[in-house]
Amino acid sequence: DAGVIQSPRHEVTEMGQEVTLRCKPISGHDYLFWYRQTMMRGLELLIYFNNNVPIDDSGMPEDRFSAKMPNASFSTLKIQPSEPRDSAVYFCASSRDRGGYGYTFGSGTRLTVV
Amino acid sequence: QKEVEQDPGPLSVPEGAIVSLNCTYSNSAFQYFMWYRQYSRKGPELLMYTYSSGNKEDGRFTAQVDKSSKYISLFIRDSQPSDSATYLCAMTISSGSARQLTFGSGTQLTVLP
Repeated sequence: DAGVIQSPRHEVTEMGQEVTLRCKPISGHDYLFWYRQTMMRGLELLIYFNNNVPIDDSGMPEDRFSAKMPNASFSTLKIQPSEPRDSAVYFCASSRDRGGYGYTFGSGTRLTVV
Repeated sequence: QKEVEQDPGPLSVPEGAIVSLNCTYSNSAFQYFMWYRQYSRKGPELLMYTYSSGNKEDGRFTAQVDKSSKYISLFIRDSQPSDSATYLCAMTISSGSARQLTFGSGTQLTVLP
């Protein structure tokens, strides 16, 4: 079991550019979550999917953020256009159920927007 | 006021010490309580999970919940340098409610050899 795989590990981009973060969940997990972590706000749930369908995106900060899950083994989080305040570590997690005790987190993507 | 308050630390202790990490919460609807450990540049990993008041032990770790006081703790006995990490408490209203998983801000722990 390779765990939840995220790419890239680090991303540095200029303000206004499009950024795409990628996630491969654990095989057999039917829930996928995108979180953002900052020093100021801690861990925030952005969106989660069940069986590839977005269930709750109320945590997505604004329309510049979008997420897709075209199949059970792949998800993307896109920011367009990116802004310096988007700088954070973005985590993907997967689970067999919605309960927090079942989450497995990836190692995260550290995004810096300059 | 945040729903979950956690002392951010940092906390530095000598190897072998007993460590106490704490969270308070304001929402009495929280029923399920978790502790996650996060090593530097890694994602959080589940350490302990409990849903009832009282103590739950797992090796050197003990999770304690006091719902009447809205207070949870994680105790680490015989702390080791490998325990150095950030510890996050998390809680949710029900086991099936992902949206309502609320994390504390984390306490950074360093165990000195």
